[in-house]
Amino acid sequence: AQSVTQPDIHITVSEGASLELRCNYSYGATPYLFWYVQSPGQGLQLLLKYFSGDTLVQGIKGFEAEFKRSQSSFNLRKPSVHWSDAAEYFCAVATGGGNKLTFGTGTQLKVEL
Amino acid sequence: NAGVTQTPKFQVLKTGQSMTLQCAQDMNHEYMSWYRQDPGMGLRLIHYSVGAGITDQGEVPNGYNVSRSTTEDFPLRLLSAAPSQTSVYFCASSARTGMNTEAFFGQGTRLTVV
Repeated sequence: AQSVTQPDIHITVSEGASLELRCNYSYGATPYLFWYVQSPGQGLQLLLKYFSGDTLVQGIKGFEAEFKRSQSSFNLRKPSVHWSDAAEYFCAVATGGGNKLTFGTGTQLKVEL
Repeated sequence: NAGVTQTPKFQVLKTGQSMTLQCAQDMNHEYMSWYRQDPGMGLRLIHYSVGAGITDQGEVPNGYNVSRSTTEDFPLRLLSAAPSQTSVYFCASSARTGMNTEAFFGQGTRLTVV
């Protein structure tokens, strides 16, 4: 069965600093990988997705992620964090399409001004 | 565009009561699913549907029923609410065409069972 691990429960960064959120997955076939962001009291918004092709994926709000098959990782990065990026971030893997998703436990990002 | 609409947004139930969480999408998506979100556990799949008349269980289906009579609607029923079902519930939909699809989520229903 597939699984997703987000090892960092909480991360605090200063505004303007770079960010990397870690995600490791376990899945036997080619994974379909996603990063979602959730602001307090809100639903989930898709940041970016990887299905195939270029292993460096660009998303919205200046985020990017790199798929590394050898490390079973799909880490999320942003060069310069803004205070509005404070939210919870979820990595997810799909068995096919976007319907059946297995989520990580999430990483809560705090941004210090 | 409305996207995925969930009602109600908040609900308090007494143990043993029943209720239905509503989910509707206007994107003509074939796939719909229900997740529950609990602190420190991420989102877990309850039930899903690959089209009208077809449903299947996810990771945590016990205590929940679903049906899919139309493409647009996918209600989640709690037959006899228990405190362990206190959670935030999210409905999602996605297109079936090809594999390059993403899930669109509703705003969630926050359910408290007392």
